[in-house]
Amino acid sequence: SQTIHQWPATLVQPVGSPLSLECTVEGTSNPNLYWYRQAAGRGLQLLFYSVGIGQISSEVPQNLSASRPQDRQFILSSKKLLLSDSGFYLCAWVRGLSTDTQYFGPGTRLTVL
Amino acid sequence: KQEVTQIPAALSVPEGENLVLNCSFTDSAIYNLQWFRQDPGKGLTSLLLIQSSQREQTSGRLNASLDKSSGRSTLYIAASQPGDSATYLCAVRPSKTGNQFYFGTGTSLTVIP
Repeated sequence: SQTIHQWPATLVQPVGSPLSLECTVEGTSNPNLYWYRQAAGRGLQLLFYSVGIGQISSEVPQNLSASRPQDRQFILSSKKLLLSDSGFYLCAWVRGLSTDTQYFGPGTRLTVL
Repeated sequence: KQEVTQIPAALSVPEGENLVLNCSFTDSAIYNLQWFRQDPGKGLTSLLLIQSSQREQTSGRLNASLDKSSGRSTLYIAASQPGDSATYLCAVRPSKTGNQFYFGTGTSLTVIP
């Protein structure tokens, strides 16, 4: 069966500090991978998605970046965090086929102080 | 751009009641529509996936319908239980963009014992 991991589960960082969130998927190959952010009281905002190693599509221009160094690894980064980066970050995957279910990880709660 | 709306934003019902959650979308060119459940501080759990060629899907006490031409989907929950309390989100996968998903802002459901 497939599983998706995210870490860390929670993170408190000062403004201006760097960020690295990691997501890994097990039990599948060549998945589409997604990073979403969910701010308090708001819906899911798609940040990045990737259809393959090294292929990143950005949906929202901001101080965040994403990388996919391996087939089942997706990393969200920032060089300098802003207060507005606080939120709940969710990683998700789906098989490339258009008919498949999207599966989500447990999320990372980021608080920027 | 696809827009997804969920009404109502919040719903409170007594235990045992049958209820309907609504999801509407602006562009009928979709591959599928998915319903999710989200518990506080957790990731999203997939409930039902309806392909564009299907009219409905059922899982236990849940039944989801899809009327693609009118841009609407409903999630029917029979005999609600306190454990059903959560936020329910719908998401569409447009056929024009393929790799992206568009989410509604969710309906927060409280089932009162």
